[in-house]
Amino acid sequence: EAQVTQNPRYLITVTGKKLTVTCSQNMNHEYMSWYRQDPGLGLRQIYYSMNVEVTDKGDVPEGYKVSRKEKRNFPLILESPSPNQTSLYFCASSQQGARSPLHFGNGTRLTVT
Amino acid sequence: AQSVSQHNHHVILSEAASLELGCNYSYGGTVNLFWYVQYPGQHLQLLLKYFSGDPLVKGIKGFEAEFIKSKFSFNLRKPSVQWSDTAEYFCAVAYGGSQGNLIFGKGTKLSVKP
Repeated sequence: EAQVTQNPRYLITVTGKKLTVTCSQNMNHEYMSWYRQDPGLGLRQIYYSMNVEVTDKGDVPEGYKVSRKEKRNFPLILESPSPNQTSLYFCASSQQGARSPLHFGNGTRLTVT
Repeated sequence: AQSVSQHNHHVILSEAASLELGCNYSYGGTVNLFWYVQYPGQHLQLLLKYFSGDPLVKGIKGFEAEFIKSKFSFNLRKPSVQWSDTAEYFCAVAYGGSQGNLIFGKGTKLSVKP
């Protein structure tokens, strides 16, 4: 089954404790992207990757890192999480960039205390 | 900066009522336009998309949208809503100048009363 898999689904952590949210897709998509969803703000793009070893900042990249060492994986790293990063995070992938329809993961709800 | 505006934050309708959700985007040349839907507790799913050609596009579950270039609009419509359409709806725009940046509106929550 074609899917984007994120882990974990729920995560509660404390300020400053490094964490990684994993994202994997099995559709051989070139493009992958991370979004955060906050009430009243919709989805805002954090980082995206057009292909392996190619990443770029979205609209809200501060406090986040990403890497794209393999085509299928695109982990999101929070080196020193802060409470304002409490949010619902979605990973998405597509065949070719933002102009192709996106396939979304099920989301990761992160709480930073 | 490019932006996408959805005019209604929360829309409440009774079953069988007609729906129109507004979406406007800032000028930026060639655009690809999308509507995504997020059912309660779920991830986003594609409803429909516009790339080129006929400005009236049909999507899943009886939804359609009309691209009006002169108004920079891409409004979503459905003639008769059902309770199962209760969800949040997001308009999204990919501008031709950027391969990677997809800009979402803030979303419109639709509640359909049975």
